[in-house]
Amino acid sequence: QVQLVQSGAEVQKPGASVKVSCKTSGYTFTSYDIHWVRQATGQGPEWMGWMNPNGGLTGYAQKFQGRITMTRNTSINTAYMELSSLRSDDTAVYYCARNSALDTAFDHWGQGTLVTVSS
Amino acid sequence: SDVLTQPPSVSVAPGKPAKITCGGHNIGSKSVHWYQQKAGQAPVLVIYYDTDRPSGIPERFSGSNSGNTATLTISRVEAGDEADYFCQVWERSSDHWVFGGGTKLTVL
Repeated sequence: QVQLVQSGAEVQKPGASVKVSCKTSGYTFTSYDIHWVRQATGQGPEWMGWMNPNGGLTGYAQKFQGRITMTRNTSINTAYMELSSLRSDDTAVYYCARNSALDTAFDHWGQGTLVTVSS
Repeated sequence: SDVLTQPPSVSVAPGKPAKITCGGHNIGSKSVHWYQQKAGQAPVLVIYYDTDRPSGIPERFSGSNSGNTATLTISRVEAGDEADYFCQVWERSSDHWVFGGGTKLTVL
């Protein structure tokens, strides 16, 4: 079955960077785009960007341009999202999600990674 | 437009229908997806392409989309349906994805 398993919780100081991993299994990694979405406590999800694992092409939300980098390692079917210059309002649960083959929906999600930014 | 508007909360008695709306400029021209998120869990896709259900989602869940409003309908609400529900669209003009603010469904 399709699975997306994310790395564990992180605590970072303001100004630092965080890199979250998303290890996939149960499907051909390079055939489906991967998205990253974050959700602050009590808030709706916020889309951050997408990556095509086949060629590495990316597209980022304007809000995160210059601070976000999405990469992948196709040999281990894993996607990564790195966010730099962290601020306290970056504290949130970060999810990776697979783009559906049928439409622009996200059909499978990782379990989420809590990133806390605190001095 | 990148704004999707949902009511913060909807309450319904068990066995009754629940309707959750998602408002956006000309949303009827876009493909709307709906997600269910239970407390402490990742979102789950329940409706895609306005009206389609992924495998494993009960027939009680249905969707519609026209004009400036998309609607998720749960025909006979059960206690296990209590969750937050989010709508989502892809904005072709900017190649961005947008989520609504979410609606908390409470089963009375």
